[in-house]
Amino acid sequence: AQSVTQLGSHVSVSEGALVLLRCNYSSSVPPYLFWYVQYPNQGLQLLLKYTSAATLVKGINGFEAEFKKSETSFHLTKPSAHMSDAAEYFCAVRTDQGGSEKLVFGKGTKLTVNP
Amino acid sequence: EAQVTQNPRYLITVTGKKLTVTCSQNMNHEYMSWYRQDPGLGLRQIYYSMNVEVTDKGDVPEGYKVSRKEKRNFPLILESPSPNQTSLYFCASSRRGGSYEQYFGPGTRLTVT
Repeated sequence: AQSVTQLGSHVSVSEGALVLLRCNYSSSVPPYLFWYVQYPNQGLQLLLKYTSAATLVKGINGFEAEFKKSETSFHLTKPSAHMSDAAEYFCAVRTDQGGSEKLVFGKGTKLTVNP
Repeated sequence: EAQVTQNPRYLITVTGKKLTVTCSQNMNHEYMSWYRQDPGLGLRQIYYSMNVEVTDKGDVPEGYKVSRKEKRNFPLILESPSPNQTSLYFCASSRRGGSYEQYFGPGTRLTVT
């Protein structure tokens, strides 16, 4: 069964520093992978998705992620953090189980940006 | 504007008092799903629906019911809420197949006392 693991439930960076949020997946088939962001008191918003095209995926707000099959990873990065990036980030993998399609989410990483 | 709406956004209720959380989408999506979000556990799927009149259990279905009588609506029913159902609930929708990008509602924060 497909699954994702997010390393680090909390990450803290300084404004202007590199953001790196880690996600490893488990999948027996080529995966569809997603990063979602949740700002305080809001729903989830899609940041970017990997659908077996380019391995480097660019998303909104300056975020990007690189699919590395050899490492089964899909880490999210941003070169320079802004205060507005403070949020919770979720990695997810599409799975097909018993004929049903679903997203399986990681447990989330809360990003704090310090001034 | 393409969106998923949920009502109510906030709800405080007492144990055993039946409640319904509504969910509606205007994107003509076939697939709809309910999740609950709890600290440290991420999002867990409660129920999903592949199309009208087709629903199935997700990972944590106990204590919940759903129905899908119309394509746009997918209400979540708690027949006898208990305190362990205090949580943040999200409805989501997507097209079937393809990249399976899901669109999320704004969430419903439920407290059961």
